[in-house]
Amino acid sequence: NAGVTQTPKFQVLKTGQSMTLQCAQDMNHNSMYWYRQDPGMGLRLIYYSASEGTTDKGEVPNGYNVSRLNKREFSLRLESAAPSQTSVYFCASTKESNSPLHFGNGTRLTVT
Amino acid sequence: GQQLNQSPQSMFIQEGEDVSMNCTSSSIFNTWLWYKQDPGEGPVLLIALYKAGELTSNGRLTAQFGITRKDSFLNISASIPSDVGIYFCAGQGSGYALNFGKGTSLLVTP
Repeated sequence: NAGVTQTPKFQVLKTGQSMTLQCAQDMNHNSMYWYRQDPGMGLRLIYYSASEGTTDKGEVPNGYNVSRLNKREFSLRLESAAPSQTSVYFCASTKESNSPLHFGNGTRLTVT
Repeated sequence: GQQLNQSPQSMFIQEGEDVSMNCTSSSIFNTWLWYKQDPGEGPVLLIALYKAGELTSNGRLTAQFGITRKDSFLNISASIPSDVGIYFCAGQGSGYALNFGKGTSLLVTP
């Protein structure tokens, strides 16, 4: 019963490097989300995908791109990492728009 | 996103005490959710509220959806050490996005 799986769990990047954070869910959920969590800021929405084939910007999309590869997978890409992107990134999914989110355990990213 | 004000920011209490935290919003929400986050893990849903005035319990936890649809509270009765963590409120309006409060950090001493 995996739920939402995120990889990697930890990552350190140098400024300017690129990387992709992976997320997969096995609950047959329609919607998927990427949040970032910073101390004292709560969770802020980066991008979401309401259904397979669609993606939309959230509150803090700058510096990120996403791909909804299929119903199960939703990846987040940093093309040129910056220290301001040091954060904990959470992927989440939900069956319908008004259903509660199920979160993964996060990817802890440090950009030096 | 819509601003949610969650208070208190942190609480330091003794085992056995009751805890109360709340969230207010400048906008109306259709759904209020309460999550708990343990260190190193993602938030886990505690209680979901879908109707103004709704009062829902989950064990020692009780949450209410405010009648104005702009606020919600969470109470924890008879706290125990494993209640330690960060509690987040989240509200959802007509769109897809959930708006989160900044969290209440709870510490419980034996």
